Amino acid sequence: RKEVEQDPGPFNVPEGATVAFNCTYSNSASQSFFWYRQDCRKEPKLLMSVYSSGNEDGRFTAQLNRASQYISLLIRDSKLSDSATYLCVVNTRGTGRRALTFGSGTRLQVQP
Amino acid sequence: DVKVTQSSRYLVKRTGEKVFLECVQDMDHENMFWYRQDPGLGLRLIYFSYDVKMKEKGDIPEGYSVSREKKERFSLILESASTNQTSMYLCASSFGDNTRELFFGEGSRLTVL
Repeated sequence: RKEVEQDPGPFNVPEGATVAFNCTYSNSASQSFFWYRQDCRKEPKLLMSVYSSGNEDGRFTAQLNRASQYISLLIRDSKLSDSATYLCVVNTRGTGRRALTFGSGTRLQVQP
Repeated sequence: DVKVTQSSRYLVKRTGEKVFLECVQDMDHENMFWYRQDPGLGLRLIYFSYDVKMKEKGDIPEGYSVSREKKERFSLILESASTNQTSMYLCASSFGDNTRELFFGEGSRLTVL
């Protein structure tokens, strides 16, 4: 089983739609969770951290479910500019600087 | 703004050649990382360093080595390039522990013929 698993997609949605991605992780001791965004042929950039109580940044909402070991990203009112690959990132091996593991990403294509 | 600069965006090398990939960051970050990214496999950690002259193996260190002689610079070395090392290589840096943001360079696409 992969340490961090994501549905690769692609998710093809119309503008204005709401779309949700899930990501599961294997280590129940993981403490840090993030969503990164990667545009085509560009480097990954931090979209948002994921906090235990859930957090929102504009149209983006991230949630953590420790019992089921997954995190989610909800995008409301999708824009064409949201088209990208979304990477789930988890510290799968507890504390330590080396511990961040990336999922292989979920591709989102927002269509006019 | 944090800037992570990778020396070469595109390289084409032949099997057996020695390859150097350079990465420089300008924000005094103590942590630096080298990842490779392949379709369907995501980003995989090759090596990382959290101090000058310190290095630790990541998940896939075989066939690679690294050098960190100065805090701002982290080099990835392929002693004898092979075709299975054709990939996108991404350098990243960060400050502090693993709760902090990783800042990536634009990547170096290496093709080994």
